[in-house]
Amino acid sequence: DSGVTQTPKHLITATGQRVTLRCSPRSGDLSVYWYQQSLDQGLQFLIQYYNGEERAKGNILERFSAQQFPDLHSELNLSSLELGDSALYFCASSRSPVLGEQFFGPGTRLTVL
Amino acid sequence: QQQVKQSPQSLIVQKGGISIINCAYENTAFDYFPWYQQFPGKGPALLIAIRPDVSEKKEGRFTISFNKSAKQFSLHIMDSQPGDSATYFCAASKGGNTPLVFGKGTRLSVIA
Repeated sequence: DSGVTQTPKHLITATGQRVTLRCSPRSGDLSVYWYQQSLDQGLQFLIQYYNGEERAKGNILERFSAQQFPDLHSELNLSSLELGDSALYFCASSRSPVLGEQFFGPGTRLTVL
Repeated sequence: QQQVKQSPQSLIVQKGGISIINCAYENTAFDYFPWYQQFPGKGPALLIAIRPDVSEKKEGRFTISFNKSAKQFSLHIMDSQPGDSATYFCAASKGGNTPLVFGKGTRLSVIA
């Protein structure tokens, strides 16, 4: 158990809908990262927050957004969903500004029908 | 542009054998090289990591070899066991609190 929690575990929705994925980092970790894992693209970085502020952006679509709250949990919002958004979404957290170790949550499996 | 290239895509090893997975990177700004192990239905779990100031790091049956000049690093699993059957990902980052760039993964099967 990495100490990172994600909810829900599974999400099934229809095209055009909007969903919110939630992540709670390990206690004391200020950085939260979101990654998408799909069969064709592998594990891809989406976005990073550090202590409530956006720190880095990767291959995140404009239909996707995220935020980190004062209690450090983070939410990833996916809107106008398309079939191709079906994937595993992972959240990771890290603490050390030097080592960079990232610990992953169990993921949310999103299925868009 | 794939910044971290991983091979092979899949690997079958006899129980007790050595599993070797290789990765190559392009960005010389990368400063941190972890390996992750992922079982079906689970999130990636940090296995072992190395920084470029050392050429080898060993933790139990797992060893990372790092060649800075060739921009390559590899994972060696000694005395491979059926319980090691999983997908392994190499990754790289610029260190500190920076995002990871992942290889495409290697599906390892250890057969008895």
